[in-house]
Amino acid sequence: GDSVTQMEGPVTLSEEAFLTINCTYTATGYPSLFWYVQYPGEGLQLLLKATKADDKGSNKGFEATYRKETTSFHLEKGSVQVSDSAVYFCALRGTGFQKLVFGTGTRLLVSP
Amino acid sequence: DARVTQTPRDKVTEMGQEVTMRCQPILGHNTVFWYRQTMMQGLELLAYFRNRAPLDDSGMPKDRFSAEMPDATLATLKIQPSEPRDSAVYFCASGLDQGPEQFFGPGTRLTVL
Repeated sequence: GDSVTQMEGPVTLSEEAFLTINCTYTATGYPSLFWYVQYPGEGLQLLLKATKADDKGSNKGFEATYRKETTSFHLEKGSVQVSDSAVYFCALRGTGFQKLVFGTGTRLLVSP
Repeated sequence: DARVTQTPRDKVTEMGQEVTMRCQPILGHNTVFWYRQTMMQGLELLAYFRNRAPLDDSGMPKDRFSAEMPDATLATLKIQPSEPRDSAVYFCASGLDQGPEQFFGPGTRLTVL
């Protein structure tokens, strides 16, 4: 079945450092790909998405490119802030109506 | 500002008691999902509905958990009897089956003593 694998955390960075959180997926067909973010004490919220190969999703300085050849959707940000500290989930949704498949989440800790 | 709402936000109960969690999906959304989040298991899908009909509840312990949608504005998740291992944060999410995104509520933090 479909699955998502993302890097183990926590990822610990200093403010203004470059961020990469790796995500790879296994799916049949052409899934849509997502990054969700969960701030402490809150529910998940959509950060960005890409619905077809080579699409780049972007929001709040974060970016991820849908790479079908490497089945990847890595999350990047050029300069992280303390307020970016959260848990980040990579997810996919298959073609047609299907449930979201989430990765295990990666905790990001940014220190001043 | 349309949001998914969940009640209660926090619930502390004793083992053996019945627990009911409620969710109001965003108006017009026709899919509803229940998730459970724990440190050990991460985010687990318990059940989901489309147009109020249950499509998949294979993630749910059948003997004690039940999920229903009595109408389009209310989804419920019930645990009877509750056990300490049910302690977790339970999230509801809603969406449109033609759209890829799910919108999450703030969660219900359940503690079973």
